[in-house]
Amino acid sequence: QVQLQQWGAGLLKPSETLSLTCAVYGGSFSGYYWSWIRQPPGKGLEWIGEINHSGSTNYNPSLKSRVTISVDTSKNQFSLKLSSVTAADTAVYYCARVYFGVVKGPGYYYYYYMDVWGKGTTVTVSS
Amino acid sequence: QSVLTQPPSVSAAPGQKVTISCSGSSSNIGNNYVSWYQQLPGTAPKLLIYDNNKRPSGIPDRFSGSKSGTSATLGITGLQTGDEADYYCGTWDSSLSAHVVFGGGTKLTVL
Repeated sequence: QVQLQQWGAGLLKPSETLSLTCAVYGGSFSGYYWSWIRQPPGKGLEWIGEINHSGSTNYNPSLKSRVTISVDTSKNQFSLKLSSVTAADTAVYYCARVYFGVVKGPGYYYYYYMDVWGKGTTVTVSS
Repeated sequence: QSVLTQPPSVSAAPGQKVTISCSGSSSNIGNNYVSWYQQLPGTAPKLLIYDNNKRPSGIPDRFSGSKSGTSATLGITGLQTGDEADYYCGTWDSSLSAHVVFGGGTKLTVL
């Protein structure tokens, strides 16, 4: 049974860099995408980005200039860095395993879903 | 403002049925598969439905999903107090800035 364990600094000052890591236990690391999602207090989910075992990434356009997601296949871990944080980046950050692919029909139809989630890390940005 | 539109809240009595809608466009729901997530208070989201209407192992058949055009619907029958949660739809958006989009979430209250 796959489990995701995540950790990182929970309190940051404005302009600092958020850094979180998610470790994958009990399952295959390759063959999947791995994503980060965040949830500001009292608000909905926001997808940050994803990476696969080869290091191929996709990012949310609204965060792309500040986000870096990396992978360490030797440790079955992937990491998130978000630079120049502000109070608006205060949120619970989740890591998740992703099924992502495309089905060819009359057109191209993408499937994307997250079936295993980490417990979340609360990150607060405050001076 | 979320790309996908969900009602902020729905409610129904125990044992009843409820539906939650998720409206999008041709670049997301209209041409891609939809997933649904349940988030109980203080916990991480949990996958309920994937590929529009498939249930992961362990999800009871009280939960169902459907899609028509640019809208998707989550249905829950035989409501239980334990179903009180926030529900989110999500999908891939195939626009030029391709990325994952979510609905704003729907709070289900079981009266």
